[in-house]
Amino acid sequence: DTGVSQNPRHKITKRGQNVTFRCDPISEHNRLYWYRQTLGQGPEFLTYFQNEAQLEKSRLLSDRFSAERPKGSFSTLEIQRTEQGDSAMYLCASSLDRPPYEQYFGPGTRLTVT
Amino acid sequence: GENVEQHPSTLSVQEGDSAVIKCTYSDSASNYFPWYKQELGKRPQLIIDIRSNVGEKKDQRIAVTLNKTAKHFSLHITETQPEDSAVYFCAADGNTGGFKTIFGAGTRLFVKA
Repeated sequence: DTGVSQNPRHKITKRGQNVTFRCDPISEHNRLYWYRQTLGQGPEFLTYFQNEAQLEKSRLLSDRFSAERPKGSFSTLEIQRTEQGDSAMYLCASSLDRPPYEQYFGPGTRLTVT
Repeated sequence: GENVEQHPSTLSVQEGDSAVIKCTYSDSASNYFPWYKQELGKRPQLIIDIRSNVGEKKDQRIAVTLNKTAKHFSLHITETQPEDSAVYFCAADGNTGGFKTIFGAGTRLFVKA
């Protein structure tokens, strides 16, 4: 499968625990994005990487959230001290940095904080 | 901050009729406007996009129009089919593509057979 992949697909955790998600983009894509989607809403931009550089972070991304893309390939999103409000679908997408710029989304990681 | 408003939130049409979804954006620097379709339990998929130097783009039964002056853009689906039923998201991008994309809240389209 040459599409964007994300692991795990589902994560249930207790409030206060740390969680880490992984995204593997399409191999030739140098841009990688993280979004959060709650039921009935559109994806909310969290952060964006150009190769290994994190170029933009949303104000939604509190200090408990951190994302990395150490070698410009896969990325991880970590949430520390999870809260019930963090429960959502976390989507990763990747694209080229030249036209057509289309973002290809992964299947998402559904996080449930109990 | 940047904002994208999308209307209606729900749209029900008869098979074969047309469907129109409208969006407005606030950031005048936005110049790339993709539309995504998301079926239940699946990932969003790009169906059409338009750049600011173009007023209209068509791909078979789907067309998008853009009015930069009014900061409006719309999705038009003609000859709707039951498989068009899904949630549709508009989005606006502040760069030539893929840079802090802001999504609308979505329109749930029901196509009745």
